[in-house]
Amino acid sequence: EAQVTQNPRYLITVTGKKLTVTCSQNMNHEYMSWYRQDPGLGLRQIYYSMNVEVTDKGDVPEGYKVSRKEKRNFPLILESPSPNQTSLYFCASSLSWAGHFGDGTRLSIL
Amino acid sequence: GESVGLHLPTLSVQEGDNSIINCAYSNSASDYFIWYKQESGKGPQFIIDIRSNMDKRQGQRVTVLLNKTVKHLSLQIAATQPGDSAVYFCAENPWGSGGGADGLTFGKGTHLIIQP
Repeated sequence: EAQVTQNPRYLITVTGKKLTVTCSQNMNHEYMSWYRQDPGLGLRQIYYSMNVEVTDKGDVPEGYKVSRKEKRNFPLILESPSPNQTSLYFCASSLSWAGHFGDGTRLSIL
Repeated sequence: GESVGLHLPTLSVQEGDNSIINCAYSNSASDYFIWYKQESGKGPQFIIDIRSNMDKRQGQRVTVLLNKTVKHLSLQIAATQPGDSAVYFCAENPWGSGGGADGLTFGKGTHLIIQP
């Protein structure tokens, strides 16, 4: 079954404590992206990757890092999380244009 | 800024009726549009897409209409069912074939509520 898997699904943590949200896809897609979803703002892209070792900033990259060492994985790293990064995060992968999304990771930064 | 938006944040329809969800876009260079459905607790799910060289495309119970003259996109759902209750997003790819999910700009969504 085609899947984009995010972990953890929920996390409550404190300001400044580094965290990583993992994303893995089993469809051999080249494109992968991270989005955050906030009430009234919709889905906004954080970072994307067009292939292994190729990443680029989206619309709201500040405070985030990503890596793409292998095709299937695209982790999102928050080196020093802050409360304004409390949000619902989605990872997506795609072969052409329409993305397959994971089920989301809800982060709460206290 | 946001280039894709929805006319209504909430749409309530009777079960069995047809639903029409609207979307306006501002980038006339956009040549690919997608509708997504997002159920509670889940990620957006692809419903249907359309390229700018078409004005209508049909799927199973869904139809997307594209009016490039007024930069308007709509999603029609026939015979709405309780399982259609969700938030619906339109998205555009202003970069044409250069995209993937990296090139998408999303609207804010319309919450479709099905009345029994």
